[in-house]
Amino acid sequence: KAGVTQTPRYLIKTRGQQVTLSCSPISGHRSVSWYQQTPGQGLQFLFEYFSETQRNKGNFPGRFSGRQFSNSRSEMNVSTLELGDSALYLCASRAGGTDTQYFGPGTRLTVL
Amino acid sequence: DQQVKQNSPSLSVQEGRISILNCDYTNSMFDYFLWYKKYPAEGPTFLISISSIKDKNEDGRFTVFLNKSAKHLSLHIVPSQPGDSAVYFCAARKTSYDKVIFGPGTSLSVIP
Repeated sequence: KAGVTQTPRYLIKTRGQQVTLSCSPISGHRSVSWYQQTPGQGLQFLFEYFSETQRNKGNFPGRFSGRQFSNSRSEMNVSTLELGDSALYLCASRAGGTDTQYFGPGTRLTVL
Repeated sequence: DQQVKQNSPSLSVQEGRISILNCDYTNSMFDYFLWYKKYPAEGPTFLISISSIKDKNEDGRFTVFLNKSAKHLSLHIVPSQPGDSAVYFCAARKTSYDKVIFGPGTSLSVIP
């Protein structure tokens, strides 16, 4: 099976712009979670989607949003980018009823 | 509010010796715990997990110990190998439908 894929791998934006990141889960996985990783903060949970519905949400401002499509692919959007949004954004998928998440390689976002 | 804590940002161990990575949590509702390993430029990969009904789980060189009364778990790697050098994340969740909370990670260096 192909693993979790994320596009793009690298992105450079300027403050105030918006960005959309994409995640394709492992075939058959209906749960997709998004995390932000910054140095010293570990992986901060953004949200989880399951069958096109947001099932869990972390403590991020409304500028961070996401969605999931019927084929389980997911996108996350960040509007009005700030310098502090520079981070590695990781997507993870898991099969229903299991706990093991499989992570993609991440998208490295740099905000200038 | 950091619900999962890894108080040692880094750890150095000689090859062949034991590596002990520690993790503390604050939420007594956590029911399931996982360890992930992350190499640079890659997403985290699942290593080992433990349910709250157990106090030990072993998989080859990796053993996880859980002390529920102390809200503490540890990952033991014996013997440590240079290829084990990575960042190790401790994670926890309440129910199988709940979000997975990660700690900040511990960077392990195994010195040949």
